[in-house]
Order: sequence, then structure tokens, then C-alpha cells
Amino acid sequence: DAGITQSPRHKVTETGTPVTLRCHQTENHRYMYWYRQDPGHGLRLIHYSYGVKDTDKGEVSDGYSVSRSKTEDFLLTLESATSSQTSVYFCAISADRDTEAFFGQGTRLTVV
Amino acid sequence: AQSVTQLDSQVPVFEEAPVELRCNYSSSVSVYLFWYVQYPNQGLQLLLKYLSGSTLVKGINGFEAEFNKSQTSFHLRKPSVHISDTAEYFCAVSRFGGATNKLIFGTGTLLAVQP
Repeated sequence: DAGITQSPRHKVTETGTPVTLRCHQTENHRYMYWYRQDPGHGLRLIHYSYGVKDTDKGEVSDGYSVSRSKTEDFLLTLESATSSQTSVYFCAISADRDTEAFFGQGTRLTVV
Repeated sequence: AQSVTQLDSQVPVFEEAPVELRCNYSSSVSVYLFWYVQYPNQGLQLLLKYLSGSTLVKGINGFEAEFNKSQTSFHLRKPSVHISDTAEYFCAVSRFGGATNKLIFGTGTLLAVQP
């Protein structure tokens, strides 16, 4: 298994609070991604990174921000959590743009 | 922009029967194609991928898929399924020659294998 660790694995938070999810990799892969998975939608890209301090938006980026200060860590922040952000969040990594992506185990976030 | 359609949200099948999970894509540029599997409460695992070359691609666990450019399809098949194949299957595309491996996923097909 690719060395990807997501933390926390489960979190319940209140509406309006900030939340940070962490993705840590030990593969030294250049590309990192955050997806959310919702029933009926499959997985949708939130943000991605193509190097340290190089990030860009995906298709559902509103309400989310990311940071990557080190190759191994990619943080996803919900600035003010809303119930619509209740979801399962997956981190993925890939070595290059045309190589396969490896996924973490996911973080189940519930916003109440 | 690319999009992926998985028309079947759920496919019930009996053990040892063959199965086909359908995937169609839309894109104005060439794409890479992938099938991922997700077992309950787990992350996604790559089953197989098409980057170039032979249009028939073989993957893990006895699965294969055929790329059909004229029909813009990438259907997944297995000649004989097992109970352990029960999982959700996602088809995905990424843009050929794109800046990153940004995957566009379909909505998934739940394969339910019955004894």
C-alpha cells in the first residue's frame, strides 16, 4: 500500500467552526489531491497541488482552502464548516501527471 | 471538459456469473481511462488503466476492460464473479497530456454478488 495517512479518520464538528484535515505521504510524490465523496456524485476534486506551495482549485473548491509547505503534507481547511460539507474526504497522490493515483483511507466528517 | 457516465447505479449478479459494468465518457481531447474499486469503509484501489496501446486492458482480480474510441466507452468485465467482488466500482478519466493527473469520476456502480 502506498504510504498515505489521513488524519483524523472521523470527526464531528459544529457548524461555523474551522476544521483542518491532514494528508501525509511517505512516497515523495509530487502531486497531491483532495476529493470529497458523496452519494450520487462519486468523487469530486476540491483542490490539488503540483509541488510545494503550488496549489490550484478543483471543481468544488468553494469554502475550502489548502496548504502545502512540505512535500509530504497537504492540509485541507474548511474555513467555516457547513452541513453541506458533511462528506467523506479522500486524499490522493501521484508521482507524475500520467501515473496512477493512490488514495488514502478517507476521513468521515460530520458537520452538525 | 471531460465527463463520465456510469448508467447503472447498482448491478446484482449471482456468484460465478459474468458481469459487465458500463462506462461512457465525453471529452474533446484524448484521455486516459481508469477503473477503481472501493470496498466498504476503505479507500479506492486501482483495478486497471488505459493510457495507450492495446485497447483490451487486463487488471487485477481477473477484471478486464476494453477501450472503444468510436463509442467513447470503457466497459469493465469479469467472466465469473465471486462474493468477494462485492464493492463499488468507479470509472474515471484524466486529460491526456494534462498538467496533472486530475481525475474526473463517474457516480459509481455498486456490484452486488449474490450466492
